[in-house]
Amino acid sequence: QKEVEQNSGPLSVPEGAIASLNCTYSDRVSQSFFWYRQYSGKSPELIMSIYSNGDKEDGRFTAQLNKASQYVSLLIRDSQPSDSATYLCASPDSNYQLIWGAGTKLIIKP
Amino acid sequence: EAQVTQNPRYLITVTGKKLTVTCSQNMNHEYMSWYRQDPGLGLRQIYYSMNVEVTDKGDVPEGYKVSRKEKRNFPLILESPSPNQTSLYFCASSRAGTEYNEQFFGPGTRLTVL
Repeated sequence: QKEVEQNSGPLSVPEGAIASLNCTYSDRVSQSFFWYRQYSGKSPELIMSIYSNGDKEDGRFTAQLNKASQYVSLLIRDSQPSDSATYLCASPDSNYQLIWGAGTKLIIKP
Repeated sequence: EAQVTQNPRYLITVTGKKLTVTCSQNMNHEYMSWYRQDPGLGLRQIYYSMNVEVTDKGDVPEGYKVSRKEKRNFPLILESPSPNQTSLYFCASSRAGTEYNEQFFGPGTRLTVL
């Protein structure tokens, strides 16, 4: 059984700084990772998908995948108060069902 | 607008009274799934469906039933709800249940069982 682990936080970052969120996984089968943002009481929203080693950028978001070290990270540049949320990392298991991390709570301080 | 819809959004019921939470998607997705989310326990999968008439158990299927008679609909049935099923429920869909399983979520149904 693959596990996906995240630091639950909270991670506090000043407005305008870079927020760095990390996720580690326990086996080498995964090829895909997904980052979701979830505001309190709302549904998870897909913000980034990454399928290969290296970096993928989308606006202020950059996902980084390092398969050799078994971690994936999400960088948020120029953090805004509206980025305050819980960020969930997920990856498919061998049956393609997503395994979810517990989420990292991010707080952007004005 | 491409979306996943769930109804009802909020429901308070009593132990033992059968209920159904509907889920519908308009994206022609093959894959659909139900999750529950509880504080401290994260997202847990209840059931999923890879396609019409194909359903399978997730991590916490006890006390739930599902059906997938049409591609767009995937209702969640609680035959005899109990207080431990009080939770926030999400339906999700994706193009296919593959390693590219990008799932899109409905708005959630907050269920309270008294």
